[in-house]
Amino acid sequence: EVQLVESGGGLVQPGGSLRLSCAASGFIFSGYSMNWVRQAPGKGLEWLSYINSGSSIISYADSVKGRFTISRDNAKNSLYLQMNSLRDEDTAVYYCAKYDYAGNPKFDYWGQGTLVTVSS
Amino acid sequence: EIVLTQSPGTLSLSPGERATLSCRASQIISSTYLAWYQQKPGQAPRLLIYGASSRATGIPDRFSGSGSGTDFALTISRLEPEDFAVYYCQQYVDSPLRFTFGPGTKVDIK
Repeated sequence: EVQLVESGGGLVQPGGSLRLSCAASGFIFSGYSMNWVRQAPGKGLEWLSYINSGSSIISYADSVKGRFTISRDNAKNSLYLQMNSLRDEDTAVYYCAKYDYAGNPKFDYWGQGTLVTVSS
Repeated sequence: EIVLTQSPGTLSLSPGERATLSCRASQIISSTYLAWYQQKPGQAPRLLIYGASSRATGIPDRFSGSGSGTDFALTISRLEPEDFAVYYCQQYVDSPLRFTFGPGTKVDIK
């Protein structure tokens, strides 16, 4: 069974930093690209970042480019999101999502999310 | 940048009724790159449809997707109580690589 478990969320002051983790199991993590998606309270889904299986292709949404860094450790079956210079508007639930292409790009499995609150 | 617009914002229906949700793109997109997700309160999104019309594993056949070009639709043939949720469409662009979600359509109980 595919499982994605996010951790590392919490309360942080504006301008601060936080590192999110996503522990993957139930599939060959090193064979799949991964994504981070967030959802502000009461709002819709916002894609943040993509990383391919070998970390050679990385992409970011404009809203986080230069502040957030995606990375992965295939030996530890883990995905990360380093978030710096956090703003109030970064308050959201952050999800990691497994990416499957196979001809049709899709986020086929999602974690349950971790809440990040940016507030003084 | 391709923008996705979903309508209506809220759809109020009764169990057993048919629901038709619209997703419109600001430019022509490949149907290969259009997916739909369902999200219930307090839960993570769940993949429903990919490639505009293919059901994901375990998704009941009352869910169907259609469309091409700029206009896509998700149809729920007969609403079950567990189908009341928010539905998002998503598109993929490969250069530069990015994904975009529509604003969502909430299907609630009338």
